[in-house]
Amino acid sequence: EAQVTQNPRYLITVTGKKLTVTCSQNMNHEYMSWYRQDPGLGLRQIYYSMNVEVTDKGDVPEGYKVSRKEKRNFPLILESPSPNQTSLYFCASSSGGSYNEQFFGPGTRLTVL
Amino acid sequence: KNQVEQSPQSLIILEGKNCTLQCNYTVSPFSNLRWYKQDTGRGPVSLTIMTFSENTKSNGRYTATLDADTKQSSLHITASQLSDSASYICVVSVLSNFGNEKLTFGTGTRLTIIP
Repeated sequence: EAQVTQNPRYLITVTGKKLTVTCSQNMNHEYMSWYRQDPGLGLRQIYYSMNVEVTDKGDVPEGYKVSRKEKRNFPLILESPSPNQTSLYFCASSSGGSYNEQFFGPGTRLTVL
Repeated sequence: KNQVEQSPQSLIILEGKNCTLQCNYTVSPFSNLRWYKQDTGRGPVSLTIMTFSENTKSNGRYTATLDADTKQSSLHITASQLSDSASYICVVSVLSNFGNEKLTFGTGTRLTIIP
């Protein structure tokens, strides 16, 4: 089944404790992206990657890192999480270019205390 | 500033009734417009994608319209079902100079269908 998977689905952590949210897709997509969703706001892009070893900042990259060492994986790293990073996070992938559907993962709900 | 505004913010209708959700955008240069359905606690799922030359597009009981001149889109749901209860998100895409898409998301309309 074609899908985007994220782990963990739920995470509660404390300020300053480094964490990684994994994202994997099995559709051989070049383009992958991370978004956060907060109440009253539309999804906002954190980082994106157009292919292996090619990443770039989205609209809200502060406090986040990403890497793209393999085509299928695009982990999101929070080196020193803070409470304002409490949010619902989505990974997405597509075959790139325009007019191509973006497939979203199931989401990771992160709480930083 | 690129913006996507949706109305209403929330809507409650009886099962079996029709409804229409609205989307206005100021995104430029326009590439395409998408409607997504997002069930509570889950990732968005694509319903339709339209370019500026497409006025209408259907996906089952969902029909999206686009007026690129007035920068407005609507999503019409026919004969609503309980499973239609979800948030519906309008998303407008621009093409960057590097050939990748930049998506601007609306805040969504929360639709509740009651029996």
